[in-house]
Amino acid sequence: QVQLQESGPGLVKPSQTLSLTCAVSGGSISRGDYYWSWIRQPPGKGLEWIGYIYYSGSTYYNPSLKSRVTISVDTSKNQFSLKLISVTAADTAVYYCATAARPLTAPFDNWGQGTLVTVSS
Amino acid sequence: QSALTQPPSASGSPGQSVTISCTGTSSDVGGYNYVSWYQQHPGKAPKLMIYEVSKRPSGVPDRFSGSKSGNTASLTVSGLQAEDEADFYCSSYAGSNNLIFGGGTKLTVL
Repeated sequence: QVQLQESGPGLVKPSQTLSLTCAVSGGSISRGDYYWSWIRQPPGKGLEWIGYIYYSGSTYYNPSLKSRVTISVDTSKNQFSLKLISVTAADTAVYYCATAARPLTAPFDNWGQGTLVTVSS
Repeated sequence: QSALTQPPSASGSPGQSVTISCTGTSSDVGGYNYVSWYQQHPGKAPKLMIYEVSKRPSGVPDRFSGSKSGNTASLTVSGLQAEDEADFYCSSYAGSNNLIFGGGTKLTVL
């Protein structure tokens, strides 16, 4: 099982762009075994999927976030990234990266530890 | 798409069984056998406990079981142990390129 580690700024100002990276270790992101995913959880609330990317670059996004989200993959660095533009306080959450065998119908079977991002001026 | 409906809380004594429900519609829970359950301890990442309604990943105790009837999925924890105290979330494929989660249930072991 691969290990996943999120990283990025813990504080982002409103209207700016949230950028996070998930480093993958213990396996190659290019092997094609997984779809690489982002999920978030506002403090004290439930989970919300953000999107998936395959090593080839194909993506699936939550329709409610699609206009603001970009997920990309860097196979040379064995990592994938999340960008969320025009953030507001509602985007304050713990952001997790995770793996899934297929988009949408397969479960998230391996998770990073998560990273808290606060949107505040 | 609305979130799946879970009871905010559930409880049981050690050794007892408890069942947590997850209610959706015919467009999600009722329409597909792609329901998953996750356990989340405080400050930790969620852990997959059940997938495709009733399948258990390797390493998950068989005290955890899943089922579905109509638009409602259920997670049953048998032989409750103190370590089972956690938040539980269900999720379901909802068609139209969407996946939804439940609001979560806090399981307390009395």
